[in-house]
Amino acid sequence: EAQVTQNPRYLITVTGKKLTVTCSQNMNHEYMSWYRQDPGLGLRQIYYSMNVEVTDKGDVPEGYKVSRKEKRNFPLILESPSPNQTSLYFCASSLTGLINNEQFFGPGTRLTVL
Amino acid sequence: AQTVTQSQPEMSVQEAETVTLSCTYDTSESNYYLFWYKQPPSRQMILVIRQEAYKQQNATENRFSVNFQKAAKSFSLKISDSQLGDTAMYFCAFGSSNTGKLIFGQGTTLQVKP
Repeated sequence: EAQVTQNPRYLITVTGKKLTVTCSQNMNHEYMSWYRQDPGLGLRQIYYSMNVEVTDKGDVPEGYKVSRKEKRNFPLILESPSPNQTSLYFCASSLTGLINNEQFFGPGTRLTVL
Repeated sequence: AQTVTQSQPEMSVQEAETVTLSCTYDTSESNYYLFWYKQPPSRQMILVIRQEAYKQQNATENRFSVNFQKAAKSFSLKISDSQLGDTAMYFCAFGSSNTGKLIFGQGTTLQVKP
């Protein structure tokens, strides 16, 4: 089944404890992206990757890192999480970075930083 | 910078009736895409319908249709014969052909009542 998977689905952590949220897609998509969803703000892009080893900042990149060492994986790294990073996170992928390609979303990761 | 505004935080409709969700956007681009995404309680992001800006004909997908007014920068979603399964948050999104980015609105929570 073609899909985008994220792990973990739920995570509660404490301020400053490094964490990684994994994202993987099995559709051979070139483009991958991370969003965060907050009430009243919709989804905002954190980082995106047009292809392997190519990443760029989205609208809210502060406090996050990403890497794209292989096509299928695009992990999101929080080196020192803070409470304002408590949010619902989505990974998405599409065939290319062209906007006419549908973006497929993962199931979301609910992160709480205490 | 592009912006997307959904001015109705919450709406409700009786089962089998018709409801219209509003969305306005701002852009200086001439060629772009517009999308409506559905997010049910499962949190999964599901593409409902999309519209290419250079196409004058309004997109339709079964019970879902849009009213695209390019000059007014308006993109509303009409749901006909509402069903209980339509209960969800709906996001309007602008897709830039220049950058490939998706810009989301704040979301509208729709409740379909039996």
